[in-house]
Amino acid sequence: DGGITQSPKYLFRKEGQNVTLSCEQNLNHDAMYWYRQDPGQGLRLIYYSQIVNDFQKGDIAEGYSVSREKKESFPLTVTSAQKNPTAFYLCASSPLDSEGGELFFGEGSRLTVL
Amino acid sequence: GNSVTQMEGPVTLSEEAFLTINCTYTATGYPSLFWYVQYPGEGLQLLLKATKADDKGSNKGFEATYRKETTSFHLEKGSVQVSDSAVYFCALKSGGSYIPTFGRGTSLIVHP
Repeated sequence: DGGITQSPKYLFRKEGQNVTLSCEQNLNHDAMYWYRQDPGQGLRLIYYSQIVNDFQKGDIAEGYSVSREKKESFPLTVTSAQKNPTAFYLCASSPLDSEGGELFFGEGSRLTVL
Repeated sequence: GNSVTQMEGPVTLSEEAFLTINCTYTATGYPSLFWYVQYPGEGLQLLLKATKADDKGSNKGFEATYRKETTSFHLEKGSVQVSDSAVYFCALKSGGSYIPTFGRGTSLIVHP
């Protein structure tokens, strides 16, 4: 089945450690996105990419990094510089060719810093 | 710039009650409008969409009409079920950008 796969679903990290969240899609979508979700705060855009080897910062990119070496993959690294990394992280993808194109989301990864 | 405003939640209803979740927007050009639903512990999924004025999107008993004159896209359902309990997000895409603008989400709680 086509879709977006995020892993791991749950992740625990000690302070000072970097962690990488995986996001893979087989929908042949050009655009991919990472969002952070905190209780009661909706979605906040971290990074997005519209083509391989290119990506742009979203609203809250500080303390995060991404790569886009393959069209299917858009991993997010939460670095030790991120002051408050405990959150629910959502990856999404969409086609580029239409404003009517909706986003397809993964199931999310919940990161907890101990 | 683009923005989406949703009514504050939580919205608490009894089963079989009528649901309205208000959504208004500001946007450049002629946006496409979306409602997404997020069930507990999951990602978002598209519920319905409308791409031009006066279009009505519908799915699973939910409906929303694209009202250009009032810049609104209110979500309605005639009879909610406990299984409709979720967070609902209104969103738009506009101005040639593929980056959507989301509202803050509205939590719906339906009691038996």
